[in-house]
Amino acid sequence: NAGVMQNPRHLVRRRGQEARLRCSPMKGHSHVYWYRQLPEEGLKFMVYLQKENIIDESGMPKERFSAEFPKEGPSILRIQQVVRGDSAAYFCASSPPWGAEEQFFGPGTRLTVL
Amino acid sequence: GESVGLHLPTLSVQEGDNSIINCAYSNSASDYFIWYKQESGKGPQFIIDIRSNMDKRQGQRVTVLLNKTVKHLSLQIAATQPGDSAVYFCAEIPNQAGTALIFGKGTTLSVSS
Repeated sequence: NAGVMQNPRHLVRRRGQEARLRCSPMKGHSHVYWYRQLPEEGLKFMVYLQKENIIDESGMPKERFSAEFPKEGPSILRIQQVVRGDSAAYFCASSPPWGAEEQFFGPGTRLTVL
Repeated sequence: GESVGLHLPTLSVQEGDNSIINCAYSNSASDYFIWYKQESGKGPQFIIDIRSNMDKRQGQRVTVLLNKTVKHLSLQIAATQPGDSAVYFCAEIPNQAGTALIFGKGTTLSVSS
């Protein structure tokens, strides 16, 4: 039973480019959460999605960031026109349908903006 | 704002010692708490959890204590091993189903042999 998978593991972008981060939840999990971790800090919640629905995006920056979890395929976190301040580790977690308490984390994508 | 925080950013212990990592939380409405271990370059890994109706919960070599009076959470690791070296985070979920984890800043545990 594979765990949460994220790719790419490392992503380098120049300022102004787009970054697309992918997350495949654990088998049987229909809830996905995205978190951002800045160096030397804890994880900060960004967005919570179920299949085809955004449930809570209270932690998402208002501009340039978007997320989706289509009926088929992985969840995508998209950052448009990246800036150096977007450099961070982005973690995806998934949980079963009955709640957020059993969140399992992926290995993360480390985004570096040059 | 309401958040979970840790008392000490770093903790250094000798192999075989017991380690205690502390966390203070401010949201009295939170009813579920989790400790995570994060090794360098990896995602957080679940260690142990506790609900607000409990004071103590034990796992393998780990114990979590919850003091709701002072809103304090601690993780005790018995006979600490070099493999325990990592960053430890406490996290909470407010009293609401399907919501996100609120993480503290973390304590870096270094175990020397």
